[in-house]
Amino acid sequence: DGGITQSPKYLFRKEGQNVTLSCEQNLNHDAMYWYRQDPGQGLRLIYYSQIVNDFQKGDIAEGYSVSREKKESFPLTVTSAQKNPTAFYLCASSRQLGSNQPQHFGDGTRLSIL
Amino acid sequence: EDQVTQSPEALRLQEGESSSLNCSYTVSGLRGLFWYRQDPGKGPEFLFTLYSAGEEKEKERLKATLTKKESFLHITAPKPEDSATYLCAVSFSGGSYIPTFGRGTSLIVHP
Repeated sequence: DGGITQSPKYLFRKEGQNVTLSCEQNLNHDAMYWYRQDPGQGLRLIYYSQIVNDFQKGDIAEGYSVSREKKESFPLTVTSAQKNPTAFYLCASSRQLGSNQPQHFGDGTRLSIL
Repeated sequence: EDQVTQSPEALRLQEGESSSLNCSYTVSGLRGLFWYRQDPGKGPEFLFTLYSAGEEKEKERLKATLTKKESFLHITAPKPEDSATYLCAVSFSGGSYIPTFGRGTSLIVHP
């Protein structure tokens, strides 16, 4: 079955440490997204990519970085510059940016601070 | 000010007690409105897309409707397994076309 796989499910970060969250999709989708979800908040867009080797900042990109070297993969790095990283991180994909098709989501990574 | 507002924030129902969730939006140029269901610790699961006023979609006990500035998710005779957070997202013309999400409605259905 096609879908989006996020790993790990839980991740702990030490002070001053960068951590990388994995997102892989086998849906053959061009567009991929990273969201952050905090209690009582809607999903907030961190970064998105509409094609390999291209990505754009979303609403809350500060302290995060991404890469898109393969169509299937869109890893997110939470850097030490992100001062409040504790949150639930969701990766999504859609057929194309602007296609007006629904997004498909992974089951998230919960990041906590040690 | 939120572009997409969902109400109520939380809703408790008895099994079999029908109700509706609301999603309203302020921006013009609707391209699509999406409803998702999210279980605790999981990613959102797609339910419906609505594209124009007057459109309706149904799936089991759920029915989504769309007017000019809001959508309703009607839940008929809910069961405990319908307990989840329901998210609404709206795509507007102009800009990146990436949907903007509301904060969700947390639904609990008691047996």
